[in-house]
Amino acid sequence: DTEVTQTPKHLVMGMTNKKSLKCEQHMGHRAMYWYKQKAKKPPELMFVYSYEKLSINESVPSRFSPECPNSSLLNLHLHALQPEDSALYLCASSLAGTSGIDEQFFGPGTRLTVL
Amino acid sequence: DAKTTQPPSMDCAEGRAANLPCNHSTISGNEYVYWYRQIHSQGPQYIIHGLKNNETNEMASLIITEDRKSSTLILPHATLRDTAVYYCIVRVGAGGTSYGKLTFGQGTILTVHP
Repeated sequence: DTEVTQTPKHLVMGMTNKKSLKCEQHMGHRAMYWYKQKAKKPPELMFVYSYEKLSINESVPSRFSPECPNSSLLNLHLHALQPEDSALYLCASSLAGTSGIDEQFFGPGTRLTVL
Repeated sequence: DAKTTQPPSMDCAEGRAANLPCNHSTISGNEYVYWYRQIHSQGPQYIIHGLKNNETNEMASLIITEDRKSSTLILPHATLRDTAVYYCIVRVGAGGTSYGKLTFGQGTILTVHP
């Protein structure tokens, strides 16, 4: 299984809602990532988890709250979002070997619309 | 991580080789060159990476100049399914604080036409 799955594929939420994005991989990878991609722009890194611990937070607003319950699962909890947070949210995973050289496998993304 | 410069768009005829250039003149000795691509409405896909030597895999070849200030990704026989945005990324290897971090530039939109 060389796949990263993300659910839901599409999500529409109001500014007062609380929702969660889910990402799963069964490749034995120990690093997992959240990226945000606005239309016609490149992906931007948000968070990195390494061995279930948060290792990088790219100064993301607290209305985005990541969680890594186990090595296969990564969640992104959303609360009080703004319309400008509408974007494609991409999850990725990588082996996290000791060389630091590893390819990242990306999921198809969740298309989020905030009304 | 070093910045990269890529042409915004390129065209290629189906069946011909697609040569995508990337400039990374400020690359450091411990930084690798990675290539990813993103087909419309999909997540990015890893293609290849290299440090100094030229590399080849089932998808593409990577040619890195001797001074490492530029590189070229070669798709030997482009197909319509290779139409995508191609990203050249430079990042540190082991021991760097940017471990695991990919910084995407604007990329090159490659259009393969019949």
